[in-house]
Amino acid sequence: EVQLVESGGGLVQPGGSLRLSCAASGFTFNNYWMTWVRQAPGKGLEWVANIRQDGSQTSYVDSVKGRFTISRDNAKNSLYLQMNSLRAEDTAVYYCARDPDYSSGGTYYDIYDLWGQGTMVTVSS
Amino acid sequence: AIQMTQSPSSLSASVGDRVTITCRASQGIRNELGWYQQKPGKAPKVLIYAASSLQSGVPSRFSGSGSGTDFTLTISSLQPEDFATYYCLQDNSYPRTFGQGTKVEIK
Repeated sequence: EVQLVESGGGLVQPGGSLRLSCAASGFTFNNYWMTWVRQAPGKGLEWVANIRQDGSQTSYVDSVKGRFTISRDNAKNSLYLQMNSLRAEDTAVYYCARDPDYSSGGTYYDIYDLWGQGTMVTVSS
Repeated sequence: AIQMTQSPSSLSASVGDRVTITCRASQGIRNELGWYQQKPGKAPKVLIYAASSLQSGVPSRFSGSGSGTDFTLTISSLQPEDFATYYCLQDNSYPRTFGQGTKVEIK
């Protein structure tokens, strides 16, 4: 079955750390960019970070730069998000999503065509 | 970061209605925009990419248009399963940014 399954969420104190995982199955993981998107309770979607197929390129939203690190292990078909110095405002459901790196006319387009079910991260004392 | 502004924030409509949602970018993004649908408690689902390309498996009642700064998602005949929240996403530059969402409710 083609799927993404996140894990690693939970309750953590402000200033703490957490590592999220996203296990991919049913498709060739190293053919895809991968992305993390989060959603605070009752709020909209926020793009967090993405990573190229070989891990050579990463990007982050400004609010997590220097605190979060996205990485992948293609041998294990897994994506990770290491979250340090967590703040209350990082409380959210975190989704991983794949991106097939589609291009047309020389332009590459993000298409988040497969998502995990999400994992909840709560930052609170 | 590019700001994406959706309007309206919410709307009420009836089954069979034509629904239009707009998304405006704070600067030109060519056609590098996607639309996503999210139902409560579920992950988002891609509907449209490259502003007007319909994702495989998405019903043809969904369509997208626009270029530059102004974009539109249209549902030609609203169905019961279309009641959800819709988000635009620009993929022209980093960081990617979503609009704030448009909730489509039953009238």
